[in-house]
Amino acid sequence: NAGVTQTPKFRILKIGQSMTLQCTQDMNHNYMYWYRQDPGMGLKLIYYSVGAGITDKGEVPNGYNVSRSTTEDFPLRLELAAPSQTSVYFCAGGVGNTIYFGEGSWLTVV
Amino acid sequence: DAKTTQPPSMDCAEGRAANLPCNHSTISGNEYVYWYRQIHSQGPQYIIHGLKNNETNEMASLIITEDRKSSTLILPHATLRDTAVYYCIVRVALKLQGGSEKLVFGKGTKLTVNP
Repeated sequence: NAGVTQTPKFRILKIGQSMTLQCTQDMNHNYMYWYRQDPGMGLKLIYYSVGAGITDKGEVPNGYNVSRSTTEDFPLRLELAAPSQTSVYFCAGGVGNTIYFGEGSWLTVV
Repeated sequence: DAKTTQPPSMDCAEGRAANLPCNHSTISGNEYVYWYRQIHSQGPQYIIHGLKNNETNEMASLIITEDRKSSTLILPHATLRDTAVYYCIVRVALKLQGGSEKLVFGKGTKLTVNP
């Protein structure tokens, strides 16, 4: 996974709760991404960042927020969890032409 | 939306070459073709990428047609551990300065390698 670490691996949330998915990398990746993957589907980009202090929305940003205060960390915040946010979340980091993914965080909202 | 078309599933005998096709008829001149794979529910794994020329690395070969409207990923000697979903992806430039690219994922091809 080229130095991309996500936590937690599993989490169950109640509707309306908030939480932060942590992502950290130690490979000096400039670019970092958050994707979600629903069952049987491909990955959808939530947010991305090209460097510290710079973030932008991807394909499905609603209900999420991110920050990039350091090069190493790119946390994803869910403010008011909804059942539609039940998914597997992947953080990724890259430099140059390739992107490396973390192992995923399984989130269930009940 | 994804800009590629792949068959939903394929089978391959262990030890034989696996040839995975991908159509990307609307690809632009400066867009790369990337291949990733996802084993079970792990994070996607980078395999190979190319622009115009055929490419080879320790994992696979990538053959891109002259008109760049399609490509084929070749696993020369498939093993059971190559059973995975394979994603063919065309890189799209993001709007932020710096040229960061996003990878738009489709549903991929489920490759099953049989003993």
